[in-house]
Amino acid sequence: GQNIDQPTEMTATEGAIVQINCTYQTSGFNGLFWYQQHAGEAPTFLSYNVLDGLEEKGRFSSFLSRSKGYSYLLLKELQMKDSASYLCAVREGDTDKLIFGTGTRLQVFP
Amino acid sequence: KAGVTQTPRYLIKTRGQQVTLSCSPISGHRSVSWYQQTPGQGLQFLFEYFSETQRNKGNFPGRFSGRQFSNSRSEMNVSTLELGDSALYLCASSLVARRGGYYEQYFGPGTRLTVT
Repeated sequence: GQNIDQPTEMTATEGAIVQINCTYQTSGFNGLFWYQQHAGEAPTFLSYNVLDGLEEKGRFSSFLSRSKGYSYLLLKELQMKDSASYLCAVREGDTDKLIFGTGTRLQVFP
Repeated sequence: KAGVTQTPRYLIKTRGQQVTLSCSPISGHRSVSWYQQTPGQGLQFLFEYFSETQRNKGNFPGRFSGRQFSNSRSEMNVSTLELGDSALYLCASSLVARRGGYYEQYFGPGTRLTVT
């Protein structure tokens, strides 16, 4: 079966660091994506991991451990505009389908 | 470059009716995927089209169908609407759809469907 788990909600303070975890069980694995979705808007691509390790992109970093079925998205120097839902998605190896988690709603407070 | 466009943006239908949603991908993108987003279930994959062929299908009943035209534009149709079909329907396009390859999906703004 396929299962992707993320925390439902998180809160953090402006300027802080927050880590959003994602664990997955899928039929094969062909990469993990993180998307950001502001309320009422379309998801936008943040990062892609297919090999173990850390990928850094400015204030955002994403980590993957394939053996543990685990990823996290790290957001540094949080800004108010980072308040959004963060979606973890896995491409199944067997079908190539992109399977999404239910998302983590992050609220950043001043 | 224009982004992914979806029409209509909002739609209200009655149970039992059918509906057709349209998606125009980014120019040059040949893969189009459709998703249903609801507060409880999150984003759920409906189907993917590439070069006018359905390449992948999610776990939705046969009332949900789609097609892709030669210009890569895609439509999805839902027949015999149910209250539970109320959702945001998102379309995403990508440049290539080769198996095992990396591609980034660009999402459209979605069509908000309300079934009463």
